[in-house]
Amino acid sequence: AQSVTQPDIHITVSEGASLELRCNYSYGATPYLFWYVQSPGQGLQLLLKYFSGDTLVQGIKGFEAEFKRSQSSFNLRKPSVHWSDAAEYFCAVVGGNKLVFGAGTILRVKS
Amino acid sequence: GAVVSQHPSWVICKSGTSVKIECRSLDFQATTMFWYRQFPKQSLMLMATSNEGSKATYEQGVEKDKFLINHASLTLSTLTVTSAHPEDSSFYICSAQPPGGAITGELFFGEGSRLTVL
Repeated sequence: AQSVTQPDIHITVSEGASLELRCNYSYGATPYLFWYVQSPGQGLQLLLKYFSGDTLVQGIKGFEAEFKRSQSSFNLRKPSVHWSDAAEYFCAVVGGNKLVFGAGTILRVKS
Repeated sequence: GAVVSQHPSWVICKSGTSVKIECRSLDFQATTMFWYRQFPKQSLMLMATSNEGSKATYEQGVEKDKFLINHASLTLSTLTVTSAHPEDSSFYICSAQPPGGAITGELFFGEGSRLTVL
């Protein structure tokens, strides 16, 4: 069965510092991968997605993610974090026509 | 991006009553919608898949008689929590699958509805 692992439950970075959120997936074929962001008490907003082609994907709000098949990873990155980026981030993969989510990573930004 | 609206955003009800949550896709027709439940500090758990004009498909362990799902039109799905109990208190999120989404798995999410059962 398809699964997604986000190894880091919490991450704290200083404002202006770079960010990398890890995501590993388990899927037999070429995966469709997503990153979503959730602010407290809100629904999910799509940051970016990977279906095929260029393995470096650009998203909204300055985020990017790189698909590495050899590592079964789809890590999310941002060069310079802003205080407004504090939220919970979910990695997801399509499996069996359903979206399977990781446990999420809570990002805290300190000034 | 596409807009999915959920209503109400939050609701408080007494134990034993029923609560209905609406999910609307505002700018596209969604033949398939999904309902998720999210416990505090946890990920989203898929409850059921709602298909327009047919019965919903429930995930294992989800009581279909307790969580009634209706998808009467291409833009509206409703989740009714029947005879609610305090353990049903949770954050419920719906999502709608846009045209072509069956292939890509892309979904657009509502804002979520927080249910508190007293």
